[in-house]
Amino acid sequence: SQTIHQWPATLVQPVGSPLSLECTVEGTSNPNLYWYRQAAGRGLQLLFYSVGIGQISSEVPQNLSASRPQDRQFILSSKKLLLSDSGFYLCAWIVAGGGYTQYFGPGTRLTVL
Amino acid sequence: AQSVSQHNHHVILSEAASLELGCNYSYGGTVNLFWYVQYPGQHLQLLLKYFSGDPLVKGIKGFEAEFIKSKFSFNLRKPSVQWSDTAEYFCAVNAGGSYIPTFGRGTSLIVHP
Repeated sequence: SQTIHQWPATLVQPVGSPLSLECTVEGTSNPNLYWYRQAAGRGLQLLFYSVGIGQISSEVPQNLSASRPQDRQFILSSKKLLLSDSGFYLCAWIVAGGGYTQYFGPGTRLTVL
Repeated sequence: AQSVSQHNHHVILSEAASLELGCNYSYGGTVNLFWYVQYPGQHLQLLLKYFSGDPLVKGIKGFEAEFIKSKFSFNLRKPSVQWSDTAEYFCAVNAGGSYIPTFGRGTSLIVHP
């Protein structure tokens, strides 16, 4: 069966520090991968999505970037965190050609101080 | 661009009460419709989905939703809620075969025992 991992589960970082959040998927190949930020009362904001290795589309201009160095690995990064980057970050995937249902990871709670 | 509206942001019910959560979308073409649920401390997960066929779809835990094309709606219902239904509920729409879903802002449901 397919599973999705995210780490770390929680993270507290100072303003101006770098960020790296990792997401890996098991049990599937060539998935579409997504990074969302979830804020209370504001739903899910799509940050990035990827249809393949090295292919990244950005939905919202911001202080973050994403990379997909391997088929089942998706990384969210920042060179210098801002206070406004605090939030709950979710990774998700869809099996391309296998329908449109998204499967979500457990999320990372990021607090920038 | 399409949008998804969830009109009820916070709903508080007593056990055994009936539930209906509204979801409206703005897209005139073919859509795939979803309700996702996030129980406290758990992953966001699929509750039910509509792709085609019978517009009344049934999901897990006694939930159902009805697709009314003329009203651009996909409301979620449950005839008798339980305390364990306390969660956040998200409506999502994939429009025109896109793999980029649009999410509503979510509805926080609290069920009192």
